[in-house]
Amino acid sequence: EVRLVESGGGLVKPGRSQRLSCTTSGFSLGAYSMSWFRQAPGRGLEWVGFIRSNGGTAEYAASVRGRFTISRLDSSNVVHLQMNGLRTEDTALYYCARGGGEHLPAQYWGQGTLVTVSS
Amino acid sequence: DVQMTQFPSSLSRSAGDRVTIECQASQDIKKKVNWFQQKFGEAPKLLIYDSSNLEPGVPSRFSGFGSGTFFLLTIASLQPEDIATYYCQQYHSLPYTFGQGTKLEIK
Repeated sequence: EVRLVESGGGLVKPGRSQRLSCTTSGFSLGAYSMSWFRQAPGRGLEWVGFIRSNGGTAEYAASVRGRFTISRLDSSNVVHLQMNGLRTEDTALYYCARGGGEHLPAQYWGQGTLVTVSS
Repeated sequence: DVQMTQFPSSLSRSAGDRVTIECQASQDIKKKVNWFQQKFGEAPKLLIYDSSNLEPGVPSRFSGFGSGTFFLLTIASLQPEDIATYYCQQYHSLPYTFGQGTKLEIK
């Protein structure tokens, strides 16, 4: 069974950093691109970025480019979202998903981890 | 960026009704559209990929159609469990973008 579990959310002050993790099981992580999405309270879905398989280059939304970094450690079945310079507008429920790159849709999603940026 | 304009933003229909949700792209995106269903308090669920392909396990009352700039999600016969918000998403051009969502309610 494919399973994705996000962790690392919480309350963080503006300007600080936070790292989210997506722990995967039930499939070979190395074979898939992995994506992050977010949803601000009461708002719609927003694509954050994705990291490719086989080399792991990443793409990002303009709103997070230069501040957020997606990385992967296939041997440990985990994908990270490093978030630096957090802003209040980054407050959201963050989801990781399998796929969501150029070739595969975001077929499996975790349940999300909430990040609240507030002083 | 490709803008995905989705409408209506909300609708209310009776069980058994046929429901259609539209999504228009600001440029030609071929068939690179996915449709997601998000029930309250849950993660999104993939329904349709590449405009018209039904994700395995999704009921056959769901269907997708379209190419270029015009896309439709249809529910042939609305069921109570279909109450959710539906989103289209394009993955033709970076950044990948979503429509604003359609909140579906049952009368």
